[in-house]
Amino acid sequence: SQKIEQNSEALNIQEGKTATLTCNYTNYSPAYLQWYRQDPGRGPVFLLLIRENEKEKRKERLKVTFDTTLKQSLFHITASQPADSATYLCALDTGRRALTFGSGTRLQVQP
Amino acid sequence: NAGVTQTPKFRVLKTGQSMTLLCAQDMNHEYMYWYRQDPGMGLRLIHYSVGEGTTAKGEVPDGYNVSRLKKQNFLLGLESAAPSQTSVYFCASTRRTEDSPLHFGNGTRLTVT
Repeated sequence: SQKIEQNSEALNIQEGKTATLTCNYTNYSPAYLQWYRQDPGRGPVFLLLIRENEKEKRKERLKVTFDTTLKQSLFHITASQPADSATYLCALDTGRRALTFGSGTRLQVQP
Repeated sequence: NAGVTQTPKFRVLKTGQSMTLLCAQDMNHEYMYWYRQDPGMGLRLIHYSVGEGTTAKGEVPDGYNVSRLKKQNFLLGLESAAPSQTSVYFCASTRRTEDSPLHFGNGTRLTVT
């Protein structure tokens, strides 16, 4: 079965730096991959989607890359702010339109 | 526009008790999902529904039942709660379009003692 791996250790960075989060998957490459943000006590909120034929996708300070050879997606937040502190989840469709999620990486941006 | 609403927000059950979690969405979405989230394990799919009157099993369906009698509602039932079902439960919905994102509720925190 498809497994998704995200760094379980929290990522601590200084305000203004670029945060880079990694999402690796183990089996077949999905048609698309999604990234979500989750704040404590809240449900995940959709951020970005990237398709298998897209190398890179941008939205404001966010950038996602998708490397089907490495079976990896990278999620970047440039000019990070304390308000970006949250847990970030990657998810992919393993068929049947049921998204499988990684366990998430907690980002802490220090002022 | 409320989006996805889950009730209740919190619940404490004793082992063996039953309960139903309600999820309601007002976006006319066809697909609905129930996930559970445990520390360090991410979101795991319990059951899902691709339309009114249809349901399917996800990754961890044992001990749960679901019903989708109306398009806007998706119910998750626990017939005989166990401590292993202590978790945060999230409902989500999405459109039929293949790459549509999920819209989540804010969860139900369930503790089984």
